[in-house]
Amino acid sequence: SQQGEEDPQALSIQEGENATMNCSYKTSINNLQWYRQNSGRGLVHLILIRSNEREKHSGRLRVTLDTSKKSSSLLITASRAADTASYFCATDARGAQKLVFGQGTRLTINP
Amino acid sequence: EPEVTQTPSHQVTQMGQEVILRCVPISNHLYFYWYRQILGQKVEFLVSFYNNEISEKSEIFDDQFSVERPDGSNFTLKIRSTKLEDSAMYFCASSAEDEQYFGPGTRLTVT
Repeated sequence: SQQGEEDPQALSIQEGENATMNCSYKTSINNLQWYRQNSGRGLVHLILIRSNEREKHSGRLRVTLDTSKKSSSLLITASRAADTASYFCATDARGAQKLVFGQGTRLTINP
Repeated sequence: EPEVTQTPSHQVTQMGQEVILRCVPISNHLYFYWYRQILGQKVEFLVSFYNNEISEKSEIFDDQFSVERPDGSNFTLKIRSTKLEDSAMYFCASSAEDEQYFGPGTRLTVT
């Protein structure tokens, strides 16, 4: 089944460092989206990358997509304490609207 | 910036009772979704809705669940007879194209 799986499950870094999270999936996709979730709160849309794109930037975020490896990475540069959250990738298969989420990476930024 | 809103933020109900979760999608969006997240688990797709009908649903979305767009702004999820295992965070989402924007969620607790 199509799944987004994030790696690592948990990541703890110092403020100012860069954080990299990875996502793998199993089937062909239309798009891959990254979301942030603060503890017990809603999902905040961060960025969408289409299957024909290889890299995308938004502020301090950089997302890459390698469809041959069925993987994506999210890089947060110059991390801040406010970036502490769980980060999820979500994929949608061709012809389907539903998003399939991974388990998420729990990111902790230490001041 | 427009956002998806959900009410109530927290609902406590007894097993066997009916609950209705409410959502107001972003006004120019045409696609609506419900997802749920059991504590500590992945976000799971329940149902998508377009043009006043269900376009896709998951195995979770059985006869106990129904969705409705009773007017031009609200989108509701009804659970007819709640079970303990329905306890979860329920997220509404909407989209105009591929990006799905999520509401803050309703935490449903079934006792």
